[in-house]
Amino acid sequence: GQQLNQSPQSMFIQEGEDVSMNCTSSSIFNTWLWYKQDPGEGPVLLIALYKAGELTSNGRLTAQFGITRKDSFLNISASIPSDVGIYFCAGHNNDMRFGAGTRLTVKP
Amino acid sequence: DAGVTQSPTHLIKTRGQQVTLRCSPKSGHDTVSWYQQALGQGPQFIFQYYEEEERQRGNFPDRFSGHQFPNYSSELNVNALLLGDSALYLCASSFRRLNTGELFFGEGSRLTVL
Repeated sequence: GQQLNQSPQSMFIQEGEDVSMNCTSSSIFNTWLWYKQDPGEGPVLLIALYKAGELTSNGRLTAQFGITRKDSFLNISASIPSDVGIYFCAGHNNDMRFGAGTRLTVKP
Repeated sequence: DAGVTQSPTHLIKTRGQQVTLRCSPKSGHDTVSWYQQALGQGPQFIFQYYEEEERQRGNFPDRFSGHQFPNYSSELNVNALLLGDSALYLCASSFRRLNTGELFFGEGSRLTVL
């Protein structure tokens, strides 16, 4: 099946630090996406990547679509307390597959 | 512009019972996908509905069934509930013609099976 391996599982960082997380798959995806989920809510789309090698930014977030189409990473610069939450990578072909998530904790 | 709405938000059932969850997609969207999210896990794809037909299905048994209505809203039905069906059930909507994978999620229905 189309399994996505996301790492790390959790991160504890100090406010102001940069964060990096990544996702790999044994399958090729046409689109890579990154979502964030806050407690009691559904995931919210952060960034979508459509082409191999593409590097896209959204404010303090930067994500890249791996050249092999089997991986992606997400960086968050200068973290703030509201960055706390669970970040999911997702790969899309005809349907969407999600990683298990990276739980981010930011200490003020 | 209303986003994706789901009902009920929480419910408790016992083993063997049946449950129906409901979803209204974001205005302008025509495709509804359902996901099961167990505690501490990522969402798992159940199935997708477009033009009132099931178009894609994940690795879920036939106890999980659905329906899409002409107004694009959707229902998820689960029969013969098991303890392991306890999870957050997420509905996501999209516009099929774009096929970008950009999903808009509701807040979910949290099902507890006792």
